[in-house]
Amino acid sequence: AQSVTQLDSQVPVFEEAPVELRCNYSSSVSVYLFWYVQYPNQGLQLLLKYLSGSTLVKGINGFEAEFNKSQTSFHLRKPSVHISDTAEYFCAVSVDYGGSQGNLIFGKGTKLSVKP
Amino acid sequence: DTGVSQNPRHKITKRGQNVTFRCDPISEHNRLYWYRQTLGQGPEFLTYFQNEAQLEKSRLLSDRFSAERPKGSFSTLEIQRTEQGDSAMYLCASSFRQGSYNEQFFGPGTRLTVL
Repeated sequence: AQSVTQLDSQVPVFEEAPVELRCNYSSSVSVYLFWYVQYPNQGLQLLLKYLSGSTLVKGINGFEAEFNKSQTSFHLRKPSVHISDTAEYFCAVSVDYGGSQGNLIFGKGTKLSVKP
Repeated sequence: DTGVSQNPRHKITKRGQNVTFRCDPISEHNRLYWYRQTLGQGPEFLTYFQNEAQLEKSRLLSDRFSAERPKGSFSTLEIQRTEQGDSAMYLCASSFRQGSYNEQFFGPGTRLTVL
């Protein structure tokens, strides 16, 4: 079975500071990796994804993440955050069934709070 | 393309009542997913359809839950004899399966409160 662990439930940070949200996963098979963002009272929006190829992936709003297979990690980073980045961030995996993608398995989320 | 829509956005009901939620996927998306998100947790997979066929159901989907997708368009999720533990946000997502990866687009969710 697959699982996702987000190590920090809350991350407070000052505006324009860098931030890293940590994510580790467990899987015995090949997976796809995702980060989603959820603003209050809204649905989930895809920030970025890793399917294959380059381990450094860039997403929307200046976020990037690095896939580390040996450490089974997919940490999300942003060099300089804005107040508008305040939201909850979810790491997710889905199994690669060799031609078909399975459902998403999410971590518990990390609440990013950006302070002025 | 108006995105995935869900109705109602909020539902308050008394324990023991039945409730039904509706999800309208993005037009021409052939896959439709239901997830449940409780407070302080990430979304958990419930079930998914490819066209009108329900292909997978999570063990979370008890006998009181039933989902349908007639004609492969909109979907409904019904909960019978609601319990307080059913209080959660119910999220719907849709995707178009083409190749190995299909991005799931999420709706805004239906928040259920069972009193």
